[in-house]
Amino acid sequence: DVQLAESGGGSVQPGGSLRLSCVASGLPYSSYWMAWVRQAPGKGLEWVANIKHDGGERYYVDSVKGRFTVSRDNAKNSLYLQMNSLRAEDTAMYYCSIRNTAWSPFDFWGQGILVTVSS
Amino acid sequence: EIVLTQSPGTLSLSPGDRATLSCRASQSISGTYLAWYQQKPGQAPRLLIYGASSRATGIPDRFSGSGSGTDFTLTITGLEPEDFAVYYCQQFGSSPYTFGLGTKVQIK
Repeated sequence: DVQLAESGGGSVQPGGSLRLSCVASGLPYSSYWMAWVRQAPGKGLEWVANIKHDGGERYYVDSVKGRFTVSRDNAKNSLYLQMNSLRAEDTAMYYCSIRNTAWSPFDFWGQGILVTVSS
Repeated sequence: EIVLTQSPGTLSLSPGDRATLSCRASQSISGTYLAWYQQKPGQAPRLLIYGASSRATGIPDRFSGSGSGTDFTLTITGLEPEDFAVYYCQQFGSSPYTFGLGTKVQIK
């Protein structure tokens, strides 16, 4: 079975940093595009970032450009989201998701990890 | 940015009823890049429909999708107790990928 397990969340002050991780199992990880999607408490879904299977292409929503960096380590079946200069509006549940190709839906999602930005 | 407007915001129905959920895009999109997701409280979203009308693996045939251009529909024929949830449409053909605000299907 495919599994995605996020970690690294927690509470941080505005302006701080966090690094989220997502470990995948049960699939040929290095063949898949990956994505991060977030959901503020009680709100809808917001796509955050995509990364190509080889890490060669990365895309971001405008609101996180210059602050967040998506990366991956295929040897470790892992996806990362480095989040810097965090703001209160970044408070959300963060989900990692797999995508078969650049033009595929978000096929499978992890259970999510909560990030809270508050003073 | 393509804005997706879902309606209604909330749908109150009984088990066995038919649910019809709408998703309207601010500009025409290819149905190839239109998906529907289901989210239950405390759970991650789950892919239901992709390509506007294709069911994802393991999704029961009471779920069906249709539409083209700017108007798309998710239909649930014969609601089961486990179908009461929030449903989101998404377009992933144009960056930024966007989601609708969701339709909550609740028990009447």
